[in-house]
Amino acid sequence: ETGVTQTPRHLVMGMTNKKSLKCEQHLGHNAMYWYKQSAKKPLELMFVYNFKEQTENNSVPSRFSPECPNSSHLFLHLHTLQPEDSALYLCASSQGLPRGGETQYFGPGTRLLVL
Amino acid sequence: EDQVTQSPEALRLQEGESSSLNCSYTVSGLRGLFWYRQDPGKGPEFLFTLYSAGEEKEKERLKATLTKKESFLHITAPKPEDSATYLCAVQGISNFGNEKLTFGTGTRLTIIP
Repeated sequence: ETGVTQTPRHLVMGMTNKKSLKCEQHLGHNAMYWYKQSAKKPLELMFVYNFKEQTENNSVPSRFSPECPNSSHLFLHLHTLQPEDSALYLCASSQGLPRGGETQYFGPGTRLLVL
Repeated sequence: EDQVTQSPEALRLQEGESSSLNCSYTVSGLRGLFWYRQDPGKGPEFLFTLYSAGEEKEKERLKATLTKKESFLHITAPKPEDSATYLCAVQGISNFGNEKLTFGTGTRLTIIP
């Protein structure tokens, strides 16, 4: 397995459900990110982790709860979501924090539908 | 606040018909400009990073160029497999916290056989 992987690839959930998205990077990177991609809108940064520590929370609602147990794994716990949260959720990683033009590498994403 | 505008929003070309995609940006200081390719239902795939005006990079039929206000992604003799959405992102210099990537909305390119 190489690069950045995400599971599940597709997820349908009700507004009262609790689910988790998983991301794993096999690149030896130290920084990991969650992005949201909605139709016709630019990618929106949600969270940034560096060496397991959260360094950025881009005013994300508390119904999204990230967890980073180590530099290779990142989770996004979801609870009581709204239909407008339906989107493609992308995980990315980079060697270090986004300074000095660090390239971010993306996973395939999880397509989330909230009913 | 950093801003990125990509044009056109969509572009249809015949196979072999060369063209260019535009990415106009506004940053207080540029750390880097990134080009990604995204296929439907997949994550963005990294293509190029450009760091300073005048820089150029090439990969197969793609060539990216950079000025102080915009970047172009030139596609020479495209093939149907070049069909995708091409995303541009900038990273501006910041004295406060992380230097985030600001993305454009992309150009959806379709190459017709």
